[in-house]
Amino acid sequence: QKEVEQNSGPLSVPEGAIASLNCTYSDRGSQSFFWYRQYSGKSPELIMFIYSNGDKEDGRFTAQLNKASQYVSLLIRDSQPSDSATYLCAVNERSPSGGGADGLTFGKGTHLIIQP
Amino acid sequence: DADVTQTPRNRITKTGKRIMLECSQTKGHDRMYWYRQDPGLGLQLIYYSFDVKDINKGEISDGYSVSRQAQAKFSLSLESAIPNQTALYFCATRDRGTDTQYFGPGTRLTVL
Repeated sequence: QKEVEQNSGPLSVPEGAIASLNCTYSDRGSQSFFWYRQYSGKSPELIMFIYSNGDKEDGRFTAQLNKASQYVSLLIRDSQPSDSATYLCAVNERSPSGGGADGLTFGKGTHLIIQP
Repeated sequence: DADVTQTPRNRITKTGKRIMLECSQTKGHDRMYWYRQDPGLGLQLIYYSFDVKDINKGEISDGYSVSRQAQAKFSLSLESAIPNQTALYFCATRDRGTDTQYFGPGTRLTVL
């Protein structure tokens, strides 16, 4: 059974600092990796996705993927109070554009608190 | 306008009642999903559909059924609601090119 593990937190980070969120996954066949942000009672919204080993940057966000270690992380630079939310890691075992049998497997999320 | 919409947004019902949650999308995606979310348990896949004629069970389909009326519409039914089906329900679509899933705003369902 595919599993995605995240530390539930809460992870408390001072405003302006770097927040580091981590995720491990069990299925070595995983090909697509996603980070979603979810505010309490709201729907998950996509932050970014990554397919290849290494870093991918988008504004204040950087996703890092290490397939050998089955590890994906999200860095948030210059953290703002509005970044306070639960961050969900999700993986898919299929390659991009290759379809997929059963959707994404989600971790339970890490609750991030940015302290003003 | 929202790309993925869900109705109703909130619903309170009683044990044993039949209830339908509806999802519509204007993203043009052929793949649609229903998830439920419980506090501390994350998102769990109930059903998914690749097109109108292709519907598949997810990890927690017992007690639920679905209908794909058109490419843009995917409904979730609880034939006889029970209290442990109280949860937040999300519909999602999937972009085949990026594998990204896009979520609707959710339906908060309470079964008394």
